[in-house]
Amino acid sequence: DTEVTQTPKHLVMGMTNKKSLKCEQHMGHRAMYWYKQKAKKPPELMFVYSYEKLSINESVPSRFSPECPNSSLLNLHLHALQPEDSALYLCASSPRVIYNSPLHFGNGTRLTVT
Amino acid sequence: SQQGEEDPQALSIQEGENATMNCSYKTSINNLQWYRQNSGRGLVHLILIRSNEREKHSGRLRVTLDTSKKSSSLLITASRAADTASYFCATLIQGAQKLVFGQGTRLTINP
Repeated sequence: DTEVTQTPKHLVMGMTNKKSLKCEQHMGHRAMYWYKQKAKKPPELMFVYSYEKLSINESVPSRFSPECPNSSLLNLHLHALQPEDSALYLCASSPRVIYNSPLHFGNGTRLTVT
Repeated sequence: SQQGEEDPQALSIQEGENATMNCSYKTSINNLQWYRQNSGRGLVHLILIRSNEREKHSGRLRVTLDTSKKSSSLLITASRAADTASYFCATLIQGAQKLVFGQGTRLTINP
């Protein structure tokens, strides 16, 4: 089992829906990340939060809106998605945004946009 | 473009054999990390090697790093069916707060 918990595990949504992905960790990590992974591809960085502040946005479309309410929680709000946004969305955390320590990943949310 | 390129893209071996995967990268790095991903699951960190290190071991895993050739290899000895997974290298690019993943190697261990 992973120490980073993501909910839901699976999500099917229409292009007009609004939904949210949630991520939680209780390791005291102050850096949290969202990655997107298409089938048979590597994870691609979307957002980085450091001490609850957005530090990196990899030019992600505005239909993806991240939020970090506190040091343990990370949300990804979804609105007006496209079918090509269907993917595995992975949350990760690390003690700091320094990368000299490994990332801890959740098991992801499998998103299907219809 | 992706920083890391892995070779081979897919590898199928018999249980008990050794598996070697290679990773090449383009720019100077602070460290290189290897992760494993079972189908449909999250990534699990295996080993981190710093740019001033040449070799590192962890159980049945052996990682080498050659910064002059900008390459790394992951060796899994005495493979088991449970080692079946995708393996990714990830590099921390100097000066950037980004961990960039390679394309991955899909490893299949046949019983």
